[in-house]
Amino acid sequence: DTGVSQDPRHKITKRGQNVTFRCDPISEHNRLYWYRQTLGQGPEFLTYFQNEAQLEKSRLLSDRFSAERPKGSFSTLEIQRTEQGDSAMYLCASNVLSGGITNEQFFGPGTRLTVL
Amino acid sequence: RKEVEQDPGPFNVPEGATVAFNCTYSNSASQSFFWYRQDCRKEPKLLMSVYSSGNEDGRFTAQLNRASQYISLLIRDSKLSDSATYLCVVNFRGGFKTIFGAGTRLFVKA
Repeated sequence: DTGVSQDPRHKITKRGQNVTFRCDPISEHNRLYWYRQTLGQGPEFLTYFQNEAQLEKSRLLSDRFSAERPKGSFSTLEIQRTEQGDSAMYLCASNVLSGGITNEQFFGPGTRLTVL
Repeated sequence: RKEVEQDPGPFNVPEGATVAFNCTYSNSASQSFFWYRQDCRKEPKLLMSVYSSGNEDGRFTAQLNRASQYISLLIRDSKLSDSATYLCVVNFRGGFKTIFGAGTRLFVKA
């Protein structure tokens, strides 16, 4: 399967714990995005990488959230001191800039986080 | 005001019906536009891009009105398999700032 993959698919944690999610984009894609989605809402943009550079962060991304893409390939999203409000689906997507045109983003299956 | 707003839905229609979804966006610097489809508990997938000239893909037609900052999606001859949530998506700032609408839920009934 050469699509976007995410790990784990499900994570249950207790409030106050730290969690880390991984995203492996499609190999030739240089752009990688993280989103958060709650029930009944569309995905909310969290952050964006072009290669290894984090170029944009949403105000939704508090100091407890950090994302990295160290070699311009896979990415990790870490949430420290989780809160119940962090419970959501965390989606990763990737695409490639081609000829200056923004094209389709390909999404992974997501990591569903439940904070107890 | 949300940056991208969609019809709240849900839309309940019989098979064969024509249904239209509307979407408005607030940022006039928006550069590219899409409709995505999301099935229950699945990831979003691109349905179609939206161009100023309007574009059609089989039973689906998308329109963009930049002056009114308005996007639409028309589905003709609805099928049971069209039941899903339809997400309006706007890109700006060089394409990397992506805003999704909250989605409109469609139920097609036999």
